[in-house]
Parts: sequence; C-alpha cells; structure tokens
Amino acid sequence: DVKVTQSSRYLVKRTGEKVFLECVQDMDHENMFWYRQDPGLGLRLIYFSYDVKMKEKGDIPEGYSVSREKKERFSLILESASTNQTSMYLCASSLLRGPASGANVLTFGAGSRLTVL
Amino acid sequence: GQQLNQSPQSMFIQEGEDVSMNCTSSSIFNTWLWYKQDPGEGPVLLIALYKAGELTSNGRLTAQFGITRKDSFLNISASIPSDVGIYFCAGQASDYKLSFGAGTTVTVRA
Repeated sequence: DVKVTQSSRYLVKRTGEKVFLECVQDMDHENMFWYRQDPGLGLRLIYFSYDVKMKEKGDIPEGYSVSREKKERFSLILESASTNQTSMYLCASSLLRGPASGANVLTFGAGSRLTVL
Repeated sequence: GQQLNQSPQSMFIQEGEDVSMNCTSSSIFNTWLWYKQDPGEGPVLLIALYKAGELTSNGRLTAQFGITRKDSFLNISASIPSDVGIYFCAGQASDYKLSFGAGTTVTVRA
C-alpha cells in the first residue's frame, strides 16, 4: 500500500512564527500535493509538484511556499503564520500525470492540524 | 480548480437505511472519484470511475459516472454506524487536475 506520512499530526504555533509541514511518500510517486481543508469549503489546493525541484501554484498559494528537494519529500512552509492559516493540512501523492486509469488518483496522508494563536 | 456542487451538505442516517449523495459540475470530467474521511484522518479512496455511464460497486457502496460526464452519485445501502464521516467527490478534467466537492457529512440519527 502507498503510504503518505505527515510527520506532525497536531501543531500549535504563534502568529509570525515560521512553520514547516513535512510529507513523505514511499511509493515513488511523481506528483505531490498540499491541500487545506476547512469546514464547508472542502479541499483547496495550495501547491503541487510534478517533479523534483518543480512546483506550481494551486488555487490558494498566498502565504505559503513549498520545497521538493527529493522525490519522496514535499514540504509546506508558512513563512509567517497568521491566525487565518489555522486549518487541517493534507498532503497527497499520485503516481504520475497522464491519461492512464488510476495514474492521477490521490493517496492522502492523515493530515496535520495546525492552530495559530 | 473549480468547486463541484456536492449535495446534500449533511445527512443523518439510521442503521439499515439506504443513503445517496451526488456531485454536479459545469465542466466535463474524465474521471470521478469518491473518498471518505473518518474523523481526524485523511480521505481514503472508495471508488474510482473512468467511463461515462460506468456503474461500480465496492461492498455496500455503488457509484455511477453520469452519461453527460458532468455528474456522479454515490449510494450506500443498509448503512451501519461506521459509515459516518465526510464523503468527498472529486472530478478530473483533461488537464489531469482534480476538483473537489465541499463534502457530505454523514452522522448517525440519535
């Protein structure tokens, strides 16, 4: 089974702190994603990456950056955390980007619940 | 990506009931996915649909890919308490990006 591991399940940070959320997948997937989940809003895409050292903005990238130095690891960075970034953050990966059935199916991690005070 | 219209937003189930939820989109999708999220966990894939008209089952779950390619539904038959959670639909467009619905929260009727 593909495993997507988010190292921090629960974090509490103060406004202005720098926050790192780490995500590792163990099945050699090409694509990795960071989503934010808020009640009533579903899953919103922050950033994604189709290859090492490559990143693309999703729908809500403001206030976030990402890093993908190795294929298996995709980090989400909040340079200066704010209270409106209190949320559940979900990392996901998929095999590759293309027409093959199942290639784009996302496997999610368990989530990182961040509270910014 | 666009947000899909998922309904109902929430529902209460009684053990043994059949329940249904659906997603609609203004765009055509090539793939429809249904995920379930248990409290405190990440979403887990339930069913994937790849062809218009496709009807696929996974145990007590049945999902269909609409003929117009703009909608999908998920049925749960003979619901049990562990069916509670949040169910998400997701559609994949020709650019391979996924769009998600806002989720249907299923809880047990007291």
